[in-house]
Amino acid sequence: GDSVTQMEGPVTLSEEAFLTINCTYTATGYPSLFWYVQYPGEGLQLLLKATKADDKGSNKGFEATYRKETTSFHLEKGSVQVSDSAVYFCALSEATSYGKLTFGQGTILTVHP
Amino acid sequence: KAGVTQTPRYLIKTRGQQVTLSCSPISGHRSVSWYQQTPGQGLQFLFEYFSETQRNKGNFPGRFSGRQFSNSRSEMNVSTLELGDSALYLCASSSGQTTYEQYFGPGTRLTVT
Repeated sequence: GDSVTQMEGPVTLSEEAFLTINCTYTATGYPSLFWYVQYPGEGLQLLLKATKADDKGSNKGFEATYRKETTSFHLEKGSVQVSDSAVYFCALSEATSYGKLTFGQGTILTVHP
Repeated sequence: KAGVTQTPRYLIKTRGQQVTLSCSPISGHRSVSWYQQTPGQGLQFLFEYFSETQRNKGNFPGRFSGRQFSNSRSEMNVSTLELGDSALYLCASSSGQTTYEQYFGPGTRLTVT
């Protein structure tokens, strides 16, 4: 079945540091890929998405490129801020799995001033 | 547009009781998905409804059920509550199209004692 694997956390960075959170996936078809972010006490917010190979999703300085050859969708940001501290989830969906997102285990990011 | 709303936000129930959670999707969205989030299992898909029909279901026991109304609002019910049902229950709405970009509500925090 489908699965998503994220890098182990937590990740602790200083403000303005470069961020990478690795995400790899296993899927039977050609999934859409997503990054969601969850702030304390809140639901998940869609950060970015990519629906086909080589697509780059971007939002709020975050980027991720859909790499079919390496089955990866790594999240990057050039300069993190304290306000980026949250839990980040990589997820996939397949057209044949109606309404189902398969999530990675989440990566806790803490950014210090 | 108003976002996804969930009621109630917090619930405390006793083992053996039943509970009903409610979700109102974004206006115009016809698909509602439900997820259970726990520290140990992460985010797990419960089921999805589209135009009042369940199209997909995760691997949860029959104690977990749901329905969707003609206005796309959805409810999920858990009967005979167990301690392990304590979790954050999230619903998400989408247009139901193939990219499955889902928008999440703030969740209902269920505690079973």
